[in-house]
Amino acid sequence: DTGVSQNPRHKITKRGQNVTFRCDPISEHNRLYWYRQTLGQGPEFLTYFQNEAQLEKSRLLSDRFSAERPKGSFSTLEIQRTEQGDSAMYLCASTNPQGAGANVLTFGAGSRLTVL
Amino acid sequence: GQNIDQPTEMTATEGAIVQINCTYQTSGFNGLFWYQQHAGEAPTFLSYNVLDGLEEKGRFSSFLSRSKGYSYLLLKELQMKDSASYLCAPRGLTGGGNKLTFGTGTQLKVEL
Repeated sequence: DTGVSQNPRHKITKRGQNVTFRCDPISEHNRLYWYRQTLGQGPEFLTYFQNEAQLEKSRLLSDRFSAERPKGSFSTLEIQRTEQGDSAMYLCASTNPQGAGANVLTFGAGSRLTVL
Repeated sequence: GQNIDQPTEMTATEGAIVQINCTYQTSGFNGLFWYQQHAGEAPTFLSYNVLDGLEEKGRFSSFLSRSKGYSYLLLKELQMKDSASYLCAPRGLTGGGNKLTFGTGTQLKVEL
């Protein structure tokens, strides 16, 4: 297992376009989290899945944002009608409440979005 | 809600010891994590405290006082590669009990 994988690593888009990011968590991890990080700030929680169920969403997640985890494995985060304020690093993390390393969030390298 | 306070920047000398403090106020508390993040990279796990006291792991130690809402990360024998951002993250009771709320991070610069 190579850890949490995210792609694309970088995305440059024009304002108003839609973008989609993908996250492949560690295979045995049933919990998956999306965070957003802007320069000089810590990561901010966006949403959380347990298996395929989206159990919590932050108020930061406007109606332009949607996340899915259809089969309880990989997840996608889509941003519609992007705005310049959406420019950030989008981080995915996964964990398992049991077993070795239980409850430790393992992060992917992130997908950096630049909206022009 | 949660409020987390840690210094924005710190500078220390190679070989020295540095202590990074974090104070927090949370509506629900289920332990506190410290993560290290190098520029442009993912945060990586350093330590986890759920009970009061000191947890030591090699050159890194972390302390927690739940009654005071206070934690610190202690880095010994500093190396140049320790230059990074250090994120304090209390764990809440929501998000499956794994949701972390991160501080803004302390940017540590290690100098010769």
